[in-house]
Amino acid sequence: QVQLQESGPGLVKPSETLSLICTVSGGSISSYHWSWIRQSAGEGLEWIGRIYGSGSTKYNPSLKSRVTMSLDTSKNQFSLKLSSVTAADTAVYYCAREVSGWPDYWGQGTLVTVSS
Amino acid sequence: QAVLTQPASLSASPGASASLTCTLRSGINVGTYRIYWYQQKPGSPPQFLLSYKSDSDQQQGSGVPSRFSGSKDASANAGILLISGLQSEDEADYYCMVWHSSAWVFGGGTKLAVL
Repeated sequence: QVQLQESGPGLVKPSETLSLICTVSGGSISSYHWSWIRQSAGEGLEWIGRIYGSGSTKYNPSLKSRVTMSLDTSKNQFSLKLSSVTAADTAVYYCAREVSGWPDYWGQGTLVTVSS
Repeated sequence: QAVLTQPASLSASPGASASLTCTLRSGINVGTYRIYWYQQKPGSPPQFLLSYKSDSDQQQGSGVPSRFSGSKDASANAGILLISGLQSEDEADYYCMVWHSSAWVFGGGTKLAVL
């Protein structure tokens, strides 16, 4: 049974870069696609982007200029970096697996607050 | 105008059926989209329920009871999640999702109360 666990700072200052890691257990990250999705009270659920098991990426056009995703196959982890954050980026950030092309299994999520 | 619109709330009685709608923006034809549905309970991530494109092209999530089913209303340009035999445990937020303009797009969610 796959398990996903998000980790990273819970507080990020405005204009800085938000960095999160998703650790995958119970399956190889090279075998599937992986997404980052966030949920805020104001904007609801928002897909940030996807990284393929090959390492190629696809980002939401609305966030593309600020997003970077990468894989670390040696640690079975993938990561998210979101630059130039503002209060609007405050949200619960989820990582999710895409087995058949859609987010079918999500991690528990981690709250990131953007504040000075 | 949002791509997907869901009613903010809905209430129904135990044992009854609930029909949750997900209306696509004018100009986007529901017939060409696969609609995905998720259930989210407080403090937990969304859980995949099912996807529906047509009666012959739908997929139930692993372990999801058959009383959860999908359909479309072409006249309303909407996807529908039907929950029959409502139970108290079905009280949750429900979200629809589609792949649109190179991104997953979510509806705003419907809070279902079972009372």
